Order: sequence, then C-alpha cells, then structure tokens
Amino acid sequence: NAGVTQTPKFRILKIGQSMTLQCTQDMNHNYMYWYRQDPGMGLKLIYYSVGAGITDKGEVPNGYNVSRSTTEDFPLRLELAAPSQTSVYFCASSYSQGASPLHFGNGTRLTVT
Amino acid sequence: QQPVQSPQAVILREGEDAVINCSSSKALYSVHWYRQKHGEAPVFLMILLKGGEQKGHEKISASFNEKKQQSSLYLTASQLSYSGTYFCGTETPLRSGYSTLTFGKGTMLLVSP
Repeated sequence: NAGVTQTPKFRILKIGQSMTLQCTQDMNHNYMYWYRQDPGMGLKLIYYSVGAGITDKGEVPNGYNVSRSTTEDFPLRLELAAPSQTSVYFCASSYSQGASPLHFGNGTRLTVT
Repeated sequence: QQPVQSPQAVILREGEDAVINCSSSKALYSVHWYRQKHGEAPVFLMILLKGGEQKGHEKISASFNEKKQQSSLYLTASQLSYSGTYFCGTETPLRSGYSTLTFGKGTMLLVSP
C-alpha cells in the first residue's frame, strides 16, 4: 500500500519557468490537499479538493493552480515561478474532514533561482 | 488564524516528560497533532474531538479544553525516537461549508541520551 506518492522529490527552477508537482493516492480518499512549508512557519494550505472535479483555494493560492480529474490524482501547477515559491510542498489526503487524520506524501523540495 | 504553540522548543533527557500547548483565538471543533522528523513528512499522532473523544497514539496522551480553546500534548517517559517537530492543527470552517486544518508553527523537541 503506497499511500500518498509525490514526484519529483527535488527540483530547481529558474525564475519564470513552470512545472507540475504530481500527487497520487491509492486509499480512495475524496479529500486531498496541497500545503507548503517554509522554515519556522508551519504548513500553509494552498488548495484543497473534496472530490473529483471539485477544488477550491486555501490560504496561499496565488501563483498556483490545481485540477482533480480523478479521485487518485491531484497535481499542483506552478506558472511563472518566483523565488517566493521556494519551499517544501506536501500533498495530503484524508477519508473525511475534521475527524480523519491527514496522510502526507514525502514532499517535494523546490528551489527557484 | 494560526493556532499558537508553546514552547517553541524543548530539550529533554531520555525518560523526562514534556507538555506542548496549542491555543486558538477561535472556537475549536477538533485538534490534530502531528510529528515531523527532519527531512520527512508529518506523521499523524492524535485527533481530539469536541465531546472528549480521542483517536490516536497509545503512548502519547492529550487534552482538549473547548472553553479555553486549548489543547495540550503530553509526552511521558520520553524516548530518543520522540525527537522531532510537533504541530497542532485546528479544524477551520471554510466559506464553502467544508473545513480544513490550520497548523501552528511547531514545537521542536530534542531528546538526548
């Protein structure tokens, strides 16, 4: 059972480039999330999804886009990368809200120079 | 609003106890606790729900005071493996009618031999 799988693990982008962070889960969870983690700041929600075809913005959505065409996949798109997007990105999923634990992927460390 | 965790960091010797606090300026519906080791993903420890129900770890306990909008995590007889950063996440209602977790900045715990 793989859980939540993120690719790539590391990436370096130049300013203005674009990329997609991949996230897939095999637990049949409807709820999926993208967080970014900056040193000493905790985890900030970028986007979330409550099922295939349904996504919404979180706390820090600017500069990102998401799609959810299947229950399993929840890719995060960075357009026109900026140094402020240098961070560690975590994808997570849960069975339901509130009373269900979040299962995290291993993260993607992104550097924009 | 991001919940406030205290202390920011704590250093223990193996076998000592620690308490980590999490307080919110808003009403709490549920509180999650996660532990993150350096370079790894956060791992679920415990959920506390309104009404007193707890789900999670057998060697770690926690309290949830709805009136004071606080939760505390109790680590007793600490082991070297307890080292890491502990995050609380408070369930936050969204305008969409769904809810998500808002995480604190974390408490770094170091257990030495």
